[in-house]
Amino acid sequence: GAGVSQTPSNKVTEKGKYVELRCDPISGHTALYWYRQSLGQGPEFLIYFQGTGAADDSGLPNDRFFAVRPEGSVSTLKIQRTERGDSAVYLCASSLTPESGANVLTFGAGSRLTVL
Amino acid sequence: QKEVEQDPGPLSVPEGAIVSLNCTYSNSAFQYFMWYRQYSRKGPELLMYTYSSGNKEDGRFTAQVDKSSKYISLFIRDSQPSDSATYLCAMSWTGANNLFFGTGTRLTVIP
Repeated sequence: GAGVSQTPSNKVTEKGKYVELRCDPISGHTALYWYRQSLGQGPEFLIYFQGTGAADDSGLPNDRFFAVRPEGSVSTLKIQRTERGDSAVYLCASSLTPESGANVLTFGAGSRLTVL
Repeated sequence: QKEVEQDPGPLSVPEGAIVSLNCTYSNSAFQYFMWYRQYSRKGPELLMYTYSSGNKEDGRFTAQVDKSSKYISLFIRDSQPSDSATYLCAMSWTGANNLFFGTGTRLTVIP
């Protein structure tokens, strides 16, 4: 597609429930990232995929968070047993893998998660 | 201490003013410096991208990097109401898997 698409745009759930957030990256972008942005803060790195594999998941806060990208395109971020502290905007970004230098990320509009 | 520090503002200026936005950082390995603009309820969009020290100009926007002081700036000339947004600095190094962001500065340009 023309840009990074994220669904749902808004999700309200109850504490303890399971949620899935979906990201459809720009066609041809091999790298995919998930970030979390809390109110009044900058985005914080969660996980990075190169192709189908999670190349770096060091930002995932705990084992309730998991992400997959089974076919190297669409990715799903999964959160189990949600807590009120998980409330945030979850941003997905994608990029081409550069030959050198830093990746230039294109972000989606985000999925706003509210845990009641 | 966070690796990237940014004054969250908010910052309000009259239309036409010159705006100065700044970030400091602690990790001397950072080589790539970016400014993202984020409108309310939208994702960040890349505004400026610079490598190492120096200046880069794009229209009304100028990015400056001073690696010796670990200090980066974004200047906006002739500010417009449409510039009202949150401005995020971000930085990284060669081969890094992610960007390190500041908290963002919320800017309002008053007509």
